[in-house]
Order: sequence, then structure tokens, then C-alpha cells
Amino acid sequence: DAGVTQSPTHLIKTRGQQVTLRCSPKSGHDTVSWYQQALGQGPQFIFQYYEEEERQRGNFPDRFSGHQFPNYSSELNVNALLLGDSALYLCASRMGGRTEAFFGQGTRLTVV
Amino acid sequence: AQSVAQPEDQVNVAEGNPLTVKCTYSVSGNPYLFWYVQYPNRGLQFLLKYITGDNLVKGSYGFEAEFNKSQTSFHLKKPSALVSDSALYFCAVRDMNAGNNRKLIWGLGTSLAVNP
Repeated sequence: DAGVTQSPTHLIKTRGQQVTLRCSPKSGHDTVSWYQQALGQGPQFIFQYYEEEERQRGNFPDRFSGHQFPNYSSELNVNALLLGDSALYLCASRMGGRTEAFFGQGTRLTVV
Repeated sequence: AQSVAQPEDQVNVAEGNPLTVKCTYSVSGNPYLFWYVQYPNRGLQFLLKYITGDNLVKGSYGFEAEFNKSQTSFHLKKPSALVSDSALYFCAVRDMNAGNNRKLIWGLGTSLAVNP
């Protein structure tokens, strides 16, 4: 079982550009959540996808959007990148509400 | 409002001594509680959870946590700390009575340093 996989592991982008991050959930998991973790901070919830629909959303602007595919994999898109978007972006998957979430290794995004 | 508090930014303990990392929570309904550990530049690894049943929960790597409903706490403990336990620890809660808003609420993390 490969667990949760994220790609790429590291990324450098310029202000104003757009970025797409990818996540494959753990086998058997159908719910995917995305988090932003700034240096020295806890994870901040961005949004959650289930059955290809955004089910919950945190306090992030519309520049942050996502998608879930029929195979449960997911993408996080960020438009018009700002320096403050530099962070570790974490994907987590789970099955149902009683289970724990499993996290990927994260994508380290640096905006210059 | 739902919230999680980890009152200590950092905990220092000598190797071989017991360790405690504190967590208190506030939810309106029944809580599902979790502890995760994060090593530098890595994702979060699940340690243990409380859903229902025994208040003392045992998890990975010798860690355990005690759910205390009256004190709304879920402190993480280990009888004998290892240097390799040094990492960032996060407590999280999910309010199972929150309808469509059952996202995980995270604490700010506690940095554990185990000294040889």
C-alpha cells in the first residue's frame, strides 16, 4: 500500500503564476482534504472533497480551488500566487468520519 | 466555537523520563480526538485516536493518551522518552455533532525535545 502520495515534492514559482498540486489518496479512501502549513505553524484547513464535490471549505480565498477525480485523486490549484502562499501543502485522505486521516509527505511551495 | 489548545509551545524532557504533551479542546458535541507527530519537512503521522470506549488509548511508538471528559483534555503521554521522539506534536478534534462542518480542528503544535 503506497499510502498518500503527493507530487511534486518541491516547487518554486514566481508571484502571479498559477500552480497545480496533486494527491493520490491511500487505497480504499474516498475523502481528500488539503491543508496549508506555514513554517512553525499548525495545518490550516483549505477544503475537503468527497464524491468529486467540495464538501467543506476553510477561510481561503477563491484563488484556491480544487478538484477530485473519479479515482478519488485530487488536485489543488492556486492562481495569482502571492509571496504569502509559500508553505508546505499537505494532502490527507480518510474513509468515513470515524477514521483517522493519513497524510502525504507534502509539497513545499516557494513563491519568489 | 470549536477549538483545540496546546498550552505549551515546547516541552523538554530527559531521555528515559516520562513525557506529557497537553491538549484541551472545546466542541459542542461528541469529540473525536487525534494525536499526530511531524518530523522536520515531513507530513503528519497518525499516533492515536479516541472515538469511544476506554478513556486510555494506546497508540504507536509506545505513546498513549487519556481522554478526560470533565476536564475536556486529551494529554499525550509516554512512560520513557527517547531522543528519537523529538518532533512536533499536534492534537486535533473533530466535532461529530457539527453536521456538515466535521473538519478537523488543529492545535498549534508542541515541539518536544528529548535530551540525551
